[in-house]
Amino acid sequence: DAGVIQSPRHEVTEMGQEVTLRCKPISGHNSLFWYRQTMMRGLELLIYFNNNVPIDDSGMPEDRFSAKMPNASFSTLKIQPSEPRDSAVYFCASSWEREGGEAFFGQGTRLTVV
Amino acid sequence: DQQVKQNSPSLSVQEGRISILNCDYTNSMFDYFLWYKKYPAEGPTFLISISSIKDKNEDGRFTVFLNKSAKHLSLHIVPSQPGDSAVYFCAASGRTGGFKTIFGAGTRLFVKA
Repeated sequence: DAGVIQSPRHEVTEMGQEVTLRCKPISGHNSLFWYRQTMMRGLELLIYFNNNVPIDDSGMPEDRFSAKMPNASFSTLKIQPSEPRDSAVYFCASSWEREGGEAFFGQGTRLTVV
Repeated sequence: DQQVKQNSPSLSVQEGRISILNCDYTNSMFDYFLWYKKYPAEGPTFLISISSIKDKNEDGRFTVFLNKSAKHLSLHIVPSQPGDSAVYFCAASGRTGGFKTIFGAGTRLFVKA
């Protein structure tokens, strides 16, 4: 398996534009997570899906952020409209839901909003 | 509300010595604690974990200690090597949270040759 695949690796966009980040989890995993890494807060959990269903989106900063998982092999995180403070590295991770199960991370998308 | 806290942003250690990274948590319902390692431009990778029913887990040079009464865990690396230089994240998960994993802010470890 190629691991968790995220695209794009880098995204530079202008304030106000829509940004869509994509993730392909590891085949067979039933949990998917979106995290945001910033210097101040480390790795923040934005949203968590289990069996394609959003279980906890309490970490989503505001209504400008939305995430979908239309099937077991694909998820998107959308920011509309984007703002400079959204600049960060966004990670997608997947795991098999079990006690102590570790998550496998993609390489991340570095988003810069200018 | 930070449920998992890593209060040391960075740590510098001489090669061959012990590195001790600390982590505190606030939620007594966590069942598992995990450590991840992250190199620049890469995603975090799993390093070692411990169940809440244990107080120690060892894997080669890496040992994690859990003190439930103090809600504290630590990662010991002995001996430290320059290749261990990375950011280390402490994480916790539990059945009551639906197995979602909460991470700390990370500690950057520098191992000097």
